[in-house]
Amino acid sequence: KQEVTQIPAALSVPEGENLVLNCSFTDSAIYNLQWFRQDPGKGLTSLLLIQSSQREQTSGRLNASLDKSSGRSTLYIAASQPGDSATYLCAVSPYTGANSKLTFGKGITLSVRP
Amino acid sequence: AAGVIQSPRHLIKEKRETATLKCYPIPRHDTVYWYQQGPGQDPQFLISFYEKMQSDKGSIPDRFSAQQFSDYHSELNMSSLELGDSALYFCASSSAGGATGELFFGEGSRLTVL
Repeated sequence: KQEVTQIPAALSVPEGENLVLNCSFTDSAIYNLQWFRQDPGKGLTSLLLIQSSQREQTSGRLNASLDKSSGRSTLYIAASQPGDSATYLCAVSPYTGANSKLTFGKGITLSVRP
Repeated sequence: AAGVIQSPRHLIKEKRETATLKCYPIPRHDTVYWYQQGPGQDPQFLISFYEKMQSDKGSIPDRFSAQQFSDYHSELNMSSLELGDSALYFCASSSAGGATGELFFGEGSRLTVL
């Protein structure tokens, strides 16, 4: 059974700092990995998707990397801002097609202090 | 661009009552997934449908049932509600033929059972 771990559960950093959020998964037989952002009580906003054949994806100040063989992914946030404060979840899918269900980690709650 | 639409956004029910949540996937998406996120928890996969047939089943209670209709929208029916059913319920959609297998999530339906 796939297990996704995100440590630490919470992180507080001063504004402007570059930071890395970690995600690990136990079964390396994944098809893709997605990083999501969730504001309190709100929905899941997809940030980046990395397919298993890819090493990284970038969007603005965000960069996600994937090391499938070691079961790890990182989300790098450059020049953090208070507006980045949210919970960040990573999730993996073992397949594509009609069985692309995701297994989520418990998330990392990020607080960026002004 | 059209996103996944869920209704209602908020729902309050008493114990032992019945609730129905609706999900309208992104146009031309043929696969729908339901997730349950309890307070402080990661989203847990409940059930998925592809082309109106159940494609996978997760930790969905026997009191819950779901289906996908000919227009691809899906409904999650929950009966004999319990306090522990209070959660945020997400629907996600994808295209089974899509290359990336990316799931797109709705804003969620918040169910409160009193």
